[in-house]
Amino acid sequence: GAVVSQHPSRVICKSGTSVKIECRSLDFQATTMFWYRQFPKKSLMLMATSNEGSKATYEQGVEKDKFLINHASLTLSTLTVTSAHPEDSSFYICSARTGALTEAFFGQGTRLTVV
Amino acid sequence: GQQLNQSPQSMFIQEGEDVSMNCTSSSIFNTWLWYKQDPGEGPVLLIALYKAGELTSNGRLTAQFGITRKDSFLNISASIPSDVGIYFCAGTKEYALNFGKGTSLLVTP
Repeated sequence: GAVVSQHPSRVICKSGTSVKIECRSLDFQATTMFWYRQFPKKSLMLMATSNEGSKATYEQGVEKDKFLINHASLTLSTLTVTSAHPEDSSFYICSARTGALTEAFFGQGTRLTVV
Repeated sequence: GQQLNQSPQSMFIQEGEDVSMNCTSSSIFNTWLWYKQDPGEGPVLLIALYKAGELTSNGRLTAQFGITRKDSFLNISASIPSDVGIYFCAGTKEYALNFGKGTSLLVTP
């Protein structure tokens, strides 16, 4: 299957700082990328959907000014957690797909810990 | 996005047993996908189903796309310890990708 690389896999940051997470599709062009948040032993919670070259569509309850998403190219999307707080600590996962009806492939996830 | 109804929520079985899990929805989906997630990792695609009635196998895994396009099941035969993980179903409809809440599988030797 197609490869999606997410970086970093783990990050620890101080409260109040910002953290950027990258999601890259290595061998295909991702017209759509999804960002998820996952709490321990819980399902994937969709945060936002981004299409290349346009603004991300955020799910209800997700603060767009706190979770900045940029999808500047067909192979890269970034999620920036701004002014992080301990409650933002979580597992963040991206996925990417090439078209409306094709399967999505996931990155390895990023474990964010805010101290 | 819309949540699919995935069951069971968890399963605790012995090595060698067969496993079955399913997903249902009130909506029709164009594609059904099954993923496995290991702890601390992102989900990995196991099987993709594109047509109603389609039955697809991947080793010991078999999945089917329901005729009504509102459900799918995943079977694992002769389970082994490395099958442990969380299994997610997902359905695609237009540009949305909807996930079930997952089935946590534990396999004892």
